[in-house]
Amino acid sequence: EVKLVESGGGLVQPGGSLRLSCRGSGFTFSRYEWNWVRQAPGKGLEWVAFTSEHPPRTYYAESVKGRFTISRDNVESSLYLQMDNLRPEDAGVYFCARDTGRASADVWGQGTLVNVSS
Amino acid sequence: QSALTQPASVSGSPGQSITISCTGTSSDIGKYDFVSWYQQHPGRAPKLIIHQVVERPSGVSLRFSASKSAHTATLTISGLQPEDEAEYYCCSFAGTDASPWVFGGGTKVTVL
Repeated sequence: EVKLVESGGGLVQPGGSLRLSCRGSGFTFSRYEWNWVRQAPGKGLEWVAFTSEHPPRTYYAESVKGRFTISRDNVESSLYLQMDNLRPEDAGVYFCARDTGRASADVWGQGTLVNVSS
Repeated sequence: QSALTQPASVSGSPGQSITISCTGTSSDIGKYDFVSWYQQHPGRAPKLIIHQVVERPSGVSLRFSASKSAHTATLTISGLQPEDEAEYYCCSFAGTDASPWVFGGGTKVTVL
């Protein structure tokens, strides 16, 4: 079964950091490009970050550029999102999503909830 | 980039057909044939139902179809069924100068 499982969410104070993880199983993780997409409570979807290896590229939404870092470990079949200097507006559910090319993702994790509050 | 524009809500009776529009600009929908649609039920992850404007992934019902004209993409749900009640999001590739993906604000589909 093709599956993605996120972890690492939780409550953090403004200015704090969190590292989200997304572990894949049931497929060859290294063959794919990856995204993080988030959803604020009661709001719509917002793309956050993308990573590929061939060629090596990373892209970020303007709202997180300079604060978030996307990375991957193919040996561990895992995707990561290091989130620093968190703001209240970063709160929401964060999904990892397997890229199938140009704004298309065919497999999504169940999401992990991030709460930024003092 | 600004978000793509979708109607906030659309409703229909079982068996009817409904359409959801998604309006972008010459920098996204108007420039690239890379529009996707996602269905999201409450508390669940999004599900890809259309990619590359008109393509349905394996396992997605034939009742879902889509098209694009100029800066506007359209999703059609035929033979509306109760399980189609969900939020629907369009998404377009927007190049790599800024954010490659841009989403619409979402459309709540209600089956009456």
